[in-house]
Amino acid sequence: QKEVEQDPGPLSVPEGAIVSLNCTYSNSAFQYFMWYRQYSRKGPELLMYTYSSGNKEDGRFTAQVDKSSKYISLFIRDSQPSDSATYLCAARPGLNKFYFGSGTKLNVKP
Amino acid sequence: GAGVSQSPSNKVTEKGKDVELRCDPISGHTALYWYRQSLGQGLEFLIYFQGNSAPDKSGLPSDRFSAERTGGSVSTLTIQRTQQEDSAVYLCASSSPGTSNFSQYFGPGTRLTVT
Repeated sequence: QKEVEQDPGPLSVPEGAIVSLNCTYSNSAFQYFMWYRQYSRKGPELLMYTYSSGNKEDGRFTAQVDKSSKYISLFIRDSQPSDSATYLCAARPGLNKFYFGSGTKLNVKP
Repeated sequence: GAGVSQSPSNKVTEKGKDVELRCDPISGHTALYWYRQSLGQGLEFLIYFQGNSAPDKSGLPSDRFSAERTGGSVSTLTIQRTQQEDSAVYLCASSSPGTSNFSQYFGPGTRLTVT
């Protein structure tokens, strides 16, 4: 079993839709949770990070962590074609290595 | 400021040859990571350097893979006797665990093709 599991998609939505991306993890020691966005032929770039449980909002993006169920979510409101990319969730227990999900490919249709 | 840089951006090599991939982390970042990303796959952890500590090599897939980090800065990932299954994008990332931002910053990757 992988440390972080993520549905690979692809996920296709119309412009303006609310997008929900999800991951589960198995290691209860994970404390830090991150979402990365990766455009084709580019390196991943950090979108959001959270510590422990709770929500964090940044513009159209909301990251949510539920440690009791080991569930990580990213919500994108008013999705745009420019949001089309692969979204990777990641988690880490502390000051050491990261564990990544396999990524969900999102396509927002104009 | 400058981000993480990697060279070469693309590398085509023949099966059985050795290759070296280079990573220049962000200045001052003490942690450096190497990942492999195959087509349609997520990031596969390879190796992690943190300051002067012994590296975490637990992700290296075979003894054909090795990496070093000189002077706590530049890192080189070496693949000996390349195989076709080594074809992938090799990504390097760096981070600074001492700050409040525990994220890592990725380079653009080196796309390796073994023919």
